[in-house]
Amino acid sequence: DTEVTQTPKHLVMGMTNKKSLKCEQHMGHRAMYWYKQKAKKPPELMFVYSYEKLSINESVPSRFSPECPNSSLLNLHLHALQPEDSALYLCASSPSAFHYEQYFGPGTRLTVT
Amino acid sequence: AQSVTQLDSQVPVFEEAPVELRCNYSSSVSVYLFWYVQYPNQGLQLLLKYLSGSTLVKGINGFEAEFNKSQTSFHLRKPSVHISDTAEYFCAVSMNSGGSNYKLTFGKGTLLTVNP
Repeated sequence: DTEVTQTPKHLVMGMTNKKSLKCEQHMGHRAMYWYKQKAKKPPELMFVYSYEKLSINESVPSRFSPECPNSSLLNLHLHALQPEDSALYLCASSPSAFHYEQYFGPGTRLTVT
Repeated sequence: AQSVTQLDSQVPVFEEAPVELRCNYSSSVSVYLFWYVQYPNQGLQLLLKYLSGSTLVKGINGFEAEFNKSQTSFHLRKPSVHISDTAEYFCAVSMNSGGSNYKLTFGKGTLLTVNP
C-alpha cells in the first residue's frame, strides 16, 4: 500500500466552528507533514512530525493545532479560522525525516465562510 | 539559502509535440531534486527524483529529467505529450533544515497545457 489518504475531501466551516482534518498512511513511514496550498501557488510547509513528535512548526498560527496519535495517523485541528485560511491542505509522509522524498495525499479543500 | 526557479509559469504545447519544463536551483551543498505533478483538484504525485548516480533520470508517464551540476539545472522533458499530461508541474529541492530534518523547497510551478 503506497497511499496517503485524507478525509474529508471537502470541508466548509464558519469562523466560529471547530473541525479536524485527518490523514492516514500504512507504509510504515515515521515522518508526516502538513502543507497548505493556495490556488496557483506551491505547497507551503506547516508542520513536521518525526516519530510522533512535532519537530518543525513553521510559525503557524495557533488556530491550527496538529496532533499525531500514532505513527499512521496525523490530524489537524481547526478553530476560529479566517476566510484567508481557505486553501487545499495536503498531508505527506516519508520513511523518516532524514529521508529526501515525500508522498502526498489528495488533500482536503477547506473553505472558511 | 536554497531556492528553486521554474523559468516558465505556463507552457502551452500541441498534442504529440515534445516539451521541456525548465528548473534551476541554487544551493551550496549536495542537492536532492524532484519533479512533482499535480492534476486539477488533486494532490502531488512524484514524477521522478535525482538523489545520486546517473544524471539522466527516468520517471513515470514517459517523463525524464537531466541533472546538470555545472548549470545547476534539472529540466524535465517528454518527447511526445498527451492531452492527459495537462497539469501543474513543480520542481523541488530537498534540503537539510538543521538537525536531522529535510525540507522540500518548491518552485512556483509550471502549468503545462496540451492542446489538441
